[in-house]
Amino acid sequence: RKEVEQDPGPFNVPEGATVAFNCTYSNSASQSFFWYRQDCRKEPKLLMSVYSSGNEDGRFTAQLNRASQYISLLIRDSKLSDSATYLCVVGGGNTPLVFGKGTRLSVIA
Amino acid sequence: DTAVSQTPKYLVTQMGNDKSIKCEQNLGHDTMYWYKQDSKKFLKIMFSYNNKELIINETVPNRFSPKSPDKAHLNLHINSLELGDSAVYFCASSQGVRSYEQYFGPGTRLTVT
Repeated sequence: RKEVEQDPGPFNVPEGATVAFNCTYSNSASQSFFWYRQDCRKEPKLLMSVYSSGNEDGRFTAQLNRASQYISLLIRDSKLSDSATYLCVVGGGNTPLVFGKGTRLSVIA
Repeated sequence: DTAVSQTPKYLVTQMGNDKSIKCEQNLGHDTMYWYKQDSKKFLKIMFSYNNKELIINETVPNRFSPKSPDKAHLNLHINSLELGDSAVYFCASSQGVRSYEQYFGPGTRLTVT
């Protein structure tokens, strides 16, 4: 089983749609969870951390299910500017951050 | 203000050559990293330094040698370049080791011909 698995997509959604991405991780000792965003030919940028209780930042909501080793990202009211690849990132106390391969999102006008 | 900068942005070179990539961060972070992103877009850590000390070295050929002259700089020297070294190399920094939020440089696109 890969350390961090994501559906590669692409997810093609119209503007205004709600879209959800999922991610599973294999290391049950993982302690830190993030979503990063990477635009084409650019560096990854931190989108948000993921907390056990779930957290929201504007149109973005992240959830963590430790029992199922599952992380999700929900984007509401999608904008054209949300088009990017979303990377699920997981870290543990004694291991470096592990990046998923990413899920590509295209928001269409 | 650029938080994490890398030079050069593009590097095209022939097999067998030796090249260096430089990275600097002005965030005051104590930990810096080198990542490789290959053609399949998989981002994989290569090295990590904390306060100039090597703390992560992930199964990377010894043709790759990182050097950290101070905690704001982390350079990567590559000897005897091979075709398979072609990739985008990202430098990153964080406050604290391993699991903390990381900030990436713009990347160096290396093409080996």
